[in-house]
Amino acid sequence: DAGITQSPRHKVTETGTPVTLRCHQTENHRYMYWYRQDPGHGLRLIHYSYGVKDTDKGEVSDGYSVSRSKTEDFLLTLESATSSQTSVYFCAISDTSGRSVNTGELFFGEGSRLTVL
Amino acid sequence: GESVGLHLPTLSVQEGDNSIINCAYSNSASDYFIWYKQESGKGPQFIIDIRSNMDKRQGQRVTVLLNKTVKHLSLQIAATQPGDSAVYFCAENEAGNQFYFGTGTSLTVIP
Repeated sequence: DAGITQSPRHKVTETGTPVTLRCHQTENHRYMYWYRQDPGHGLRLIHYSYGVKDTDKGEVSDGYSVSRSKTEDFLLTLESATSSQTSVYFCAISDTSGRSVNTGELFFGEGSRLTVL
Repeated sequence: GESVGLHLPTLSVQEGDNSIINCAYSNSASDYFIWYKQESGKGPQFIIDIRSNMDKRQGQRVTVLLNKTVKHLSLQIAATQPGDSAVYFCAENEAGNQFYFGTGTSLTVIP
């Protein structure tokens, strides 16, 4: 299994509070991603990083920010949580962007379940 | 946006039978596809991938078929086992841009 650790695994918070989810990898992969998974939807990309301090938005980035100060850590922050951000959040890593002729496989963490009351 | 969907949301098969899970995609420019397995409470796990220059790829007990003409992807699992019970979903990628994921098919294996 790819060395990806997400924390916390479960969190319940109240509307309006800040929340930070952490993803830690031991694979030294360049690319890191945050996805959310909701019933009736496939995994949707929130933000991704292609290197230290290099990040970009995904398709559902509103209300979220990210930071990557070290190769191994990618943080997802909800500045002011809302009920619509109740979801399961997955971190993923990859050693390519998919442009390589080699596999562009994404390795996923175990997920962080966030409930916003 | 992309549209990656599955024909059947649930599938039940007898242990030992073969399973076929289907996926339709809408972007004819997609050139890389992955099948993932997700067990309850866990993260998605890579099963097999295929690039658009191939129409078939085999792994251990799994085969992925790609039909670019009708933009269809399928996952075949041979001799399905109870441990195969999970949600399976496909993902597509165009030229290294972001992946788009299907909603998944829930496979139940009946002992």
